[in-house]
Amino acid sequence: DQQVKQNSPSLSVQEGRISILNCDYTNSMFDYFLWYKKYPAEGPTFLISISSIKDKNEDGRFTVFLNKSAKHLSLHIVPSQPGDSAVYFCAAPRGGGGNKLTFGTGTQLKVEL
Amino acid sequence: NAGVMQNPRHLVRRRGQEARLRCSPMKGHSHVYWYRQLPEEGLKFMVYLQKENIIDESGMPKERFSAEFPKEGPSILRIQQVVRGDSAAYFCASSPSDSSYEQYFGPGTRLTVT
Repeated sequence: DQQVKQNSPSLSVQEGRISILNCDYTNSMFDYFLWYKKYPAEGPTFLISISSIKDKNEDGRFTVFLNKSAKHLSLHIVPSQPGDSAVYFCAAPRGGGGNKLTFGTGTQLKVEL
Repeated sequence: NAGVMQNPRHLVRRRGQEARLRCSPMKGHSHVYWYRQLPEEGLKFMVYLQKENIIDESGMPKERFSAEFPKEGPSILRIQQVVRGDSAAYFCASSPSDSSYEQYFGPGTRLTVT
């Protein structure tokens, strides 16, 4: 049961343009979402998060939008840079003692010169 | 300010051998999570531990897998009698409390079973 879904396995964007990565979820109990970035042979690195009481959170070039009614969130990167090329995972914590994360399958972003 | 450390980074085992993966959380963090990433998949939760306690092992396979986080020393994920299907990247993450949503990941251990 894939409760967090990233339906686009890959995305290619030109340097300087906007990258939009999408994520859908099915569990209406999720109330917090995180985006992680992962380079090959490294662990995921926390990028940005959003609470369900907000619909937008911005941090520099990165903005996450949350549409609760559609159970959809997106990560916008603008302007995209070659160093942004990585796999991006969205994740949601499940409570009930600790906050184990449920991850999507990831989207491979490639920013081309 | 050291991050989460995992060793070994790469581990090769033959079928039937044991694999031991170690994780030292960030300084000041006493909550450890283990995740597994199979090829072409996202990370899947395995187990959540605090010092000397297993809090949630709902993601652990029922057999051959065990985890511990002793009072002193790193957290250990142990896989007995490894099979080819255990080949994966195993990531450890730590957080400062059970109410903290952000987890900080180590570089992972890539286990290959031949």
